Amino acid sequence: KQEVTQIPAALSVPEGENLVLNCSFTDSAIYNLQWFRQDPGKGLTSLLLIQSSQREQTSGRLNASLDKSSGRSTLYIAASQPGDSATYLCAVESGRSKLTFGKGITLSVRP
Amino acid sequence: DTAVSQTPKYLVTQMGNDKSIKCEQNLGHDTMYWYKQDSKKFLKIMFSYNNKELIINETVPNRFSPKSPDKAHLNLHINSLELGDSAVYFCASSQGQGGNSPLHFGNGTRLTVT
Repeated sequence: KQEVTQIPAALSVPEGENLVLNCSFTDSAIYNLQWFRQDPGKGLTSLLLIQSSQREQTSGRLNASLDKSSGRSTLYIAASQPGDSATYLCAVESGRSKLTFGKGITLSVRP
Repeated sequence: DTAVSQTPKYLVTQMGNDKSIKCEQNLGHDTMYWYKQDSKKFLKIMFSYNNKELIINETVPNRFSPKSPDKAHLNLHINSLELGDSAVYFCASSQGQGGNSPLHFGNGTRLTVT
């Protein structure tokens, strides 16, 4: 059974700091790993998708890496801004259309 | 131009009632999902449909019955609502399975059972 862990549950940083969010999963037989952002009262917005054959993906100030053999992914956010404050969720697709989510990391970026 | 839309946004009802949540996507995706997010914010898949065919049913009580009239719609009907059904229900869609298509989520339906 796939399990996804995100630690810590919450993080507070000053504006401008570069930061790394961690995600670990127990079963390395995955199709892809996805990072999402969730704002309060909203649905999830897809940030990056890394296929199992890939090592990283980049979008703007975001960079996600995948180490399938060790069951780890990181989301790197450069030059954080208050608008980056949200909950960031990691999910792995390890079965037919089946994503397993972590509980998320709630990020607060202080002005 | 909302991609995945679900209605209603809020639903407050009493125990024992039957209610439905509707979901529509205009992305041309062939796979749709229902997810449940509980009070601890844990998001768990309930159902997945591909081209109107049920492909995932994650040990959800049979009081929950999804219906997909076409590949752009996936509705969720809940019978005999219980207090424990209170949660936020998210509809999502993707193109294909197990590959390069990220999930697109609706904004959720917050169900409160009293």
